[in-house]
Amino acid sequence: ETGVTQTPRHLVMGMTNKKSLKCEQHLGHNAMYWYKQSAKKPLELMFVYNFKEQTENNSVPSRFSPECPNSSHLFLHLHTLQPEDSALYLCASSQDPALSGTSGNYEQYFGPGTRLTVT
Amino acid sequence: SQQGEEDPQALSIQEGENATMNCSYKTSINNLQWYRQNSGRGLVHLILIRSNEREKHSGRLRVTLDTSKKSSSLLITASRAADTASYFCAILGIYGNKLVFGAGTILRVKS
Repeated sequence: ETGVTQTPRHLVMGMTNKKSLKCEQHLGHNAMYWYKQSAKKPLELMFVYNFKEQTENNSVPSRFSPECPNSSHLFLHLHTLQPEDSALYLCASSQDPALSGTSGNYEQYFGPGTRLTVT
Repeated sequence: SQQGEEDPQALSIQEGENATMNCSYKTSINNLQWYRQNSGRGLVHLILIRSNEREKHSGRLRVTLDTSKKSSSLLITASRAADTASYFCAILGIYGNKLVFGAGTILRVKS
């Protein structure tokens, strides 16, 4: 148990559906992240939120829409996805290295992931 | 690219043997971290080594860092079947605020 939870753990959706992934961290961190992990590809950073403000958007298609209502919760809203969006979506949290200076550790704590299948 | 690159891509050993994985990178770093991932699960942080450190230990794990060669290695001693997982290095650049992960090494420990 890493202190980061994700729901649902598995999701199957059609290309016309709208669904949301939820992430919650109980670690008091101020930065949260969404990653996409596809087979045989490096972990892809999608979005970064620091103190609820989005600070990174790595050219992610608009069919993925993040929301961070507070520093403990992070959502990823999905709509009109494509089959190639099928992947494991991982949420993580950490202290914000940009704010912690050089003395911080910045290790990230990951949730168990949501296995998404788009049919 | 800041991305770390692990070597080998896959490694299969017998229980009790040592496993060594390597990571190379191209930029100046603040620190380098190693993570483990069991199949289809989230990543778990194993160990962090700062740019001014050369070696760190944690239980059966030993990490070395050579900033002149821009490389790191992770050694798992006396491996167990439960060590079977994917192992990733991740680098935090000196100006960055995000970790950049490599593609990982798949380790299989046979009992």
